[in-house]
Amino acid sequence: DAGITQSPRHKVTETGTPVTLRCHQTENHRYMYWYRQDPGHGLRLIHYSYGVKDTDKGEVSDGYSVSRSKTEDFLLTLESATSSQTSVYFCAIMAREDNEQYFGPGTRLTVT
Amino acid sequence: DAKTTQPPSMDCAEGRAANLPCNHSTISGNEYVYWYRQIHSQGPQYIIHGLKNNETNEMASLIITEDRKSSTLILPHATLRDTAVYYCIVRVAEAAGNKLTFGGGTRVLVKP
Repeated sequence: DAGITQSPRHKVTETGTPVTLRCHQTENHRYMYWYRQDPGHGLRLIHYSYGVKDTDKGEVSDGYSVSRSKTEDFLLTLESATSSQTSVYFCAIMAREDNEQYFGPGTRLTVT
Repeated sequence: DAKTTQPPSMDCAEGRAANLPCNHSTISGNEYVYWYRQIHSQGPQYIIHGLKNNETNEMASLIITEDRKSSTLILPHATLRDTAVYYCIVRVAEAAGNKLTFGGGTRVLVKP
């Protein structure tokens, strides 16, 4: 357990509404990541952060923005949710002890 | 990062060894082989990684061929709790952000 929590764990929202997902870590790791996973597929990287206020895009970043104002929190925002963003979202950290990625429990988002 | 090829699914008997193959014929000299698994609805879990030597830890063993074009993850005594999707990933360990690229993985079903 790398001390990663995600909130909310489940959310249903309507098309066009803004949504923010939160990833919180308690162990001061530098790198944090947001992935999405769709049924029958592996995870795809949305955005990642390598420090406070330092973020970069992943392979599926369109329609998403992120912010990291504190080391412990990495926020993923859908500015205007679409049905194609219905997915399970996983946050991860890279532990400095072993450079491995450890994942949070996931957030299941449904956009109706 | 190099692409990997894994069988989509395999069954194995409880208590027996499970041997999961992965082909990575385009792997570069500085790319490592990583294995993660994802138990239903949970976030992926790191298992093991290696560069060219065989590796073993408390969860599994990793056998990498001499030409590094393929590898095998071995679960020595599979239990029902090992039922999961197993992902083989190759990447440069020190790449910026250490981003993981997940393919489809192998769905392993351990049967009593």
